[in-house]
Amino acid sequence: AQKITQTQPGMFVQEKEAVTLDCTYDTSDQSYGLFWYKQPSSGEMIFLIYQGSYDEQNATEGRYSLNFQKARKSANLVISASQLGDSAMYFCAMRVLTNFGNEKLTFGTGTRLTIIP
Amino acid sequence: ETGVTQTPRHLVMGMTNKKSLKCEQHLGHNAMYWYKQSAKKPLELMFVYNFKEQTENNSVPSRFSPECPNSSHLFLHLHTLQPEDSALYLCASSQAPGGLYEQYFGPGTRLTVT
Repeated sequence: AQKITQTQPGMFVQEKEAVTLDCTYDTSDQSYGLFWYKQPSSGEMIFLIYQGSYDEQNATEGRYSLNFQKARKSANLVISASQLGDSAMYFCAMRVLTNFGNEKLTFGTGTRLTIIP
Repeated sequence: ETGVTQTPRHLVMGMTNKKSLKCEQHLGHNAMYWYKQSAKKPLELMFVYNFKEQTENNSVPSRFSPECPNSSHLFLHLHTLQPEDSALYLCASSQAPGGLYEQYFGPGTRLTVT
């Protein structure tokens, strides 16, 4: 069974510092995708970044980068130069195929990031 | 309107009420999803619709009844709910089923069952 583990329930980071949010995963599939979503207090899940299991380069999107270590089954999110607007819940998710052949996302329990001015 | 919208944003209902949640996507996607987000639990997939056809029911109780009249609209009909059904219900859509496409989420409906 596929599983996503986020071990940091909460983090406090000084504004402008870089922050790393941890994510480890477990799957027996050879082909999978890893996603990071941001959920502000408004509730909407905002897609941040994606890493495919066959991608050799770590994904980057602006201030977001994904530190993908396949052998360790980790996909940590790095946010550079944090801003107050980065305060939110962050979820790591893995794309898996269900028994019906559908795509679904398996989510971790999330990390609440608070940026301190 | 752009992206994925959900109405209402907040809903309080008694256990004997019947209500419906609405989701609409303006992205031209073919797949739509209902997720449930309870406090301190990971998001749980409830239903999947591909090209208007329900392709998955993730062991959801029958008091939740989805409806997908077309690829842009998705409803979740609620009746005789329980207090433990109180949660944030998120709708999502993606370009196509089975591909490595990210899912776009709506803002959710926060449901409280009294």
